[in-house]
Amino acid sequence: GDSVTQMEGPVTLSEEAFLTINCTYTATGYPSLFWYVQYPGEGLQLLLKATKADDKGSNKGFEATYRKETTSFHLEKGSVQVSDSAVYFCALSDQTGTASKLTFGTGTRLQVTL
Amino acid sequence: DGGITQSPKYLFRKEGQNVTLSCEQNLNHDAMYWYRQDPGQGLRLIYYSQIVNDFQKGDIAEGYSVSREKKESFPLTVTSAQKNPTAFYLCASSSLAGGPGNEQFFGPGTRLTVL
Repeated sequence: GDSVTQMEGPVTLSEEAFLTINCTYTATGYPSLFWYVQYPGEGLQLLLKATKADDKGSNKGFEATYRKETTSFHLEKGSVQVSDSAVYFCALSDQTGTASKLTFGTGTRLQVTL
Repeated sequence: DGGITQSPKYLFRKEGQNVTLSCEQNLNHDAMYWYRQDPGQGLRLIYYSQIVNDFQKGDIAEGYSVSREKKESFPLTVTSAQKNPTAFYLCASSSLAGGPGNEQFFGPGTRLTVL
C-alpha cells in the first residue's frame, strides 16, 4: 500500500537558519503530494502541494519539488522564523472513486529559537 | 466565514461508554473524512464519505461508526468496542471536483480522553 516516510524530529534551528525536512513516498500510480502544518492544539492547514512530477509547490517562503525519480518531496525554507515552530506533515493523495484519501507521514516537529 | 467546526474541544469518557463527536462544515464540500492522531504516528483515516447516506471504512474503522444524513454533518461515534480510544480526532472535508489534487480542510479537532 501507499506510505510516506519523513525524517524524525524534533528539528531545532536558530532563527534565519536554512530548513530541510525530508519526505519520501511509496505509491502506485501518480499521487498528488502535500505538506500540511499543525500549530499546537490546532487542526492541520495546507502549506503547499504538487500534483505532478517536477511541479514545485510554494507558500510563505516554503518550497517543495515533486521528484518522481527519487520519490521525494522535501520541504525547504531559506530562513526560518520563530513563528514557523510547528509540526509538519508530508502526505500523498490516493484517489479512490472520486474522494481523495490522504496517507500521512508521522510528522516532524520544528522548533525555532532566537 | 466558511470552515469546519468540531465539538466539543475536549471530551472525557468512562470506559464502556459510547461517545459521539460532532463535525459540521459550511464549505459545500461533498466529501468528509475522520482521522485519528496519536503521538508519533501521524494521522490515520477512520471513515470517509463522498455523498449523503454513503460512507466507506478507512484504515482503522474497528470500534467506530459514522452517519451522513446531511451534506454538512458527519458525526463520529466512538463505541465501547474501541480498545484504545484516547486520541486527538480530526475531521476534514474536500471538494470532489478535480481529483486527487484537492486540498482537504481540517477542523480544530476534539481531544478524547478515556478515564
